[in-house]
Amino acid sequence: DAGVTQSPTHLIKTRGQQVTLRCSPKSGHDTVSWYQQALGQGPQFIFQYYEEEERQRGNFPDRFSGHQFPNYSSELNVNALLLGDSALYLCASSPNRDRGLPFSGGYTFGSGTRLTVV
Amino acid sequence: QKEVEQNSGPLSVPEGAIASLNCTYSDRGSQSFFWYRQYSGKSPELIMSIYSNGDKEDGRFTAQLNKASQYVSLLIRDSQPSDSATYLCAVRRDNAGNMLTFGGGTRLMVKP
Repeated sequence: DAGVTQSPTHLIKTRGQQVTLRCSPKSGHDTVSWYQQALGQGPQFIFQYYEEEERQRGNFPDRFSGHQFPNYSSELNVNALLLGDSALYLCASSPNRDRGLPFSGGYTFGSGTRLTVV
Repeated sequence: QKEVEQNSGPLSVPEGAIASLNCTYSDRGSQSFFWYRQYSGKSPELIMSIYSNGDKEDGRFTAQLNKASQYVSLLIRDSQPSDSATYLCAVRRDNAGNMLTFGGGTRLMVKP
């Protein structure tokens, strides 16, 4: 089945470095959202991509950037890593609500990328 | 004040009991409400959605919504040890596209 695929699964980076995380959405989904989940916390919305553009953004600094490709896959880039960026990064795909499909909350989440900054 | 608040728990219930999980939200523009279950080390999975005031039942799960009180809850009947997980409440404002705002989650422990 073509669920949401994220890579890598685990990553260790040094403070100040840059990282790129990747996501392939579920088949039939065209909207990709990225969430950061710190240990013991709920997921926090970073941004959402649709039609290769950032459609919405949460309260994250410009060090966090992204991209969506024509095949709907997406990348999350984080520059100048801080220790506080250590978290589980979740990619969630969904169909675009604006097409008249009601958004049922049925995000399909990927398994996540565990980023550790040392 | 956080947009979506949940008691972090842990909430401990015996097997077979009813587990009651609660969530409050601050934005009166919130239109859609969701409960996700997250097992340790796994990604969240949707278990219930509710859009109108009242109760919505699905198997052992019942979601309850009270927009006037800005309160949403999840009841789990006949709790099983396999229900032990963190339960995340999420809300969506009508003008927020597909963006969900999550609470911090409540950890549920069902003891055999």
